[in-house]
Amino acid sequence: AQSVTQLGSHVSVSEGALVLLRCNYSSSVPPYLFWYVQYPNQGLQLLLKYTSAATLVKGINGFEAEFKKSETSFHLTKPSAHMSDAAEYFCAVSDRRTDKLIFGTGTRLQVFP
Amino acid sequence: KAGVTQTPRYLIKTRGQQVTLSCSPISGHRSVSWYQQTPGQGLQFLFEYFSETQRNKGNFPGRFSGRQFSNSRSEMNVSTLELGDSALYLCASSGSPGTGERGEAFFGQGTRLTVV
Repeated sequence: AQSVTQLGSHVSVSEGALVLLRCNYSSSVPPYLFWYVQYPNQGLQLLLKYTSAATLVKGINGFEAEFKKSETSFHLTKPSAHMSDAAEYFCAVSDRRTDKLIFGTGTRLQVFP
Repeated sequence: KAGVTQTPRYLIKTRGQQVTLSCSPISGHRSVSWYQQTPGQGLQFLFEYFSETQRNKGNFPGRFSGRQFSNSRSEMNVSTLELGDSALYLCASSGSPGTGERGEAFFGQGTRLTVV
């Protein structure tokens, strides 16, 4: 069965610092991988997705993620954090047979001035 | 184009009652999925409907049910509400199979259900 693991339920960074949110996946077939962001009292918004094209995926708001098959990872990064990046971030894998999205437990990002 | 619309946004119900939540997908999307989000359990998949048929189902009791109409709008129903059903219920719509868009879900803002 496919699954994702997000390391660190909370991450705190200073404004301007590098953001690194970790996600490892488990899948017996090449996966579709996603990062979603959720602001308070809102639904989830797609940040970026990997669907077996380029391994470095660029998303919205300056975020990017690199698919590393050897490490089964899909970590999310942003070179310089902004206060508006404070939110909860979810990594997800899509089961290619059923198209069901399986989410990680989420990482809450705090950005300090 | 308009996004996914969920109604109502907030709901307070009493234990034992039943509730119906509504979701209107993005125009042209035929797949609608429902998720329950709680602080303790995170995001859990409830079920998915495509062309009025349930395609996938998560591990929830039979009190949780859903349906999809011919215009792709979907409803989910929870009967005999329990305190533990208090959660944010999210609906997501996706494109049709074979387009390559499958798996990219567009979420609504959710319905916050509180059971007292």
